[in-house]
Amino acid sequence: GAGVSQSPSNKVTEKGKDVELRCDPISGHTALYWYRQRLGQGLEFLIYFQGNSAPDKSGLPSDRFSAERTGESVSTLTIQRTQQEDSAVYLCASSPLGGTSYNEQFFGPGTRLTVL
Amino acid sequence: DAKTTQPPSMDCAEGRAANLPCNHSTISGNEYVYWYRQIHSQGPQYIIHGLKNNETNEMASLIITEDRKSSTLILPHATLRDTAVYYCIVRVVSTSGTYKYIFGTGTRLKVLA
Repeated sequence: GAGVSQSPSNKVTEKGKDVELRCDPISGHTALYWYRQRLGQGLEFLIYFQGNSAPDKSGLPSDRFSAERTGESVSTLTIQRTQQEDSAVYLCASSPLGGTSYNEQFFGPGTRLTVL
Repeated sequence: DAKTTQPPSMDCAEGRAANLPCNHSTISGNEYVYWYRQIHSQGPQYIIHGLKNNETNEMASLIITEDRKSSTLILPHATLRDTAVYYCIVRVVSTSGTYKYIFGTGTRLKVLA
């Protein structure tokens, strides 16, 4: 079956513009995560959606960052008034129902964002 | 949140076992240890996870110390395709009951021919 998909694969934008990144999780996966990975760095947790629970937004670095998810489907990560420091690969992952010990995340290929 | 510490890089000869260490000294009793790897320009890939018992699957073995403050990922017969960045991760449970994965900076494993 299809894996996690993300679009666009690459995005170049000018400083100050808003961008929207999209994630299509694996069908039936209730949990969805967004991460940021700067060049040569590890993954930085941004936000987590689990079913109808309130999302865990504790990783969002500023109020310029927001994310939404409609039910258990598509999610969009929005960055307003982009800054050069926002340049990174943004990774989305989904996983089956949480609450069990086994909760493998399946990652998408990422969106490479470059802010000029 | 519990955090992990890993050496930044390691080399391993092809065909030999690769032993990747990880310290997670602040881990709590209900927090699992996960390992993922990331091959250049791809999304991370799940390898294995465990709570307190040693685990083995077709990819690797995970050895967790009795006090759970450290663990070792073992690739029994490393191949050139195992060259990647390996992340040791602690899965924490937030106060709302949701899961969050804390990634470290990872170990860059280079398998040498």
